Amino acid sequence: AQSVTQLDSHVSVSEGTPVLLRCNYSSSYSPSLFWYVQHPNKGLQLLLKYTSAATLVKGINGFEAEFKKSETSFHLTKPSAHMSDAAEYFCVVSDSGYSTLTFGKGTMLLVSP
Amino acid sequence: EADIYQTPRYLVIGTGKKITLECSQTMGHDKMYWYQQDPGMELHLIHYSYGVNSTEKGDLSSESTVSRIRTEHFPLTLESARPSHTSQYLCASTHKGQGGDTQYFGPGTRLTVL
Repeated sequence: AQSVTQLDSHVSVSEGTPVLLRCNYSSSYSPSLFWYVQHPNKGLQLLLKYTSAATLVKGINGFEAEFKKSETSFHLTKPSAHMSDAAEYFCVVSDSGYSTLTFGKGTMLLVSP
Repeated sequence: EADIYQTPRYLVIGTGKKITLECSQTMGHDKMYWYQQDPGMELHLIHYSYGVNSTEKGDLSSESTVSRIRTEHFPLTLESARPSHTSQYLCASTHKGQGGDTQYFGPGTRLTVL
């Protein structure tokens, strides 16, 4: 069985300050991990994914995430928030080879001027 | 990147009506999925397909049905819509790339049943 816990339902930052969205996972196998972003009234867009290559994964729009097996974490970061980053972010785990995804409950990122 | 299309984007309909939500992709992906997402909640898998004539139920029980007669098309049908079906429905398909599968999502259909 696999599961995902996003530790914060809401994160508020000021524009230009760093972003940290936290995610812990559990998986019986070597997992694939993803971060998706969902803007209001839009579908999900893939930000980045980890699939057992480099533990530090770089994604689009300046986001990156680090896979830490010892901590079972896959936190999403960005050095400097932009207003356009305001959206909901989902951490997702997939057991290797099965192609079914388990989603976290999401973290709403709020960016203030 | 994958091009996945969903229609309609928004649908408001009365109780008891039959509806079909359309999903199509032009990338030749074999695997396709339907998710249901209530406001402020995570996505739950309701149906998936590994190819033509393959359909499976997902983790969340749903009264909807799906069909997969063509690779590019994966419609979802509700025979008799009820207010409890009000939700957002997201379709996805899988691209098999280096390092494993990646799911790409359509824009979603926001369904309201009155």
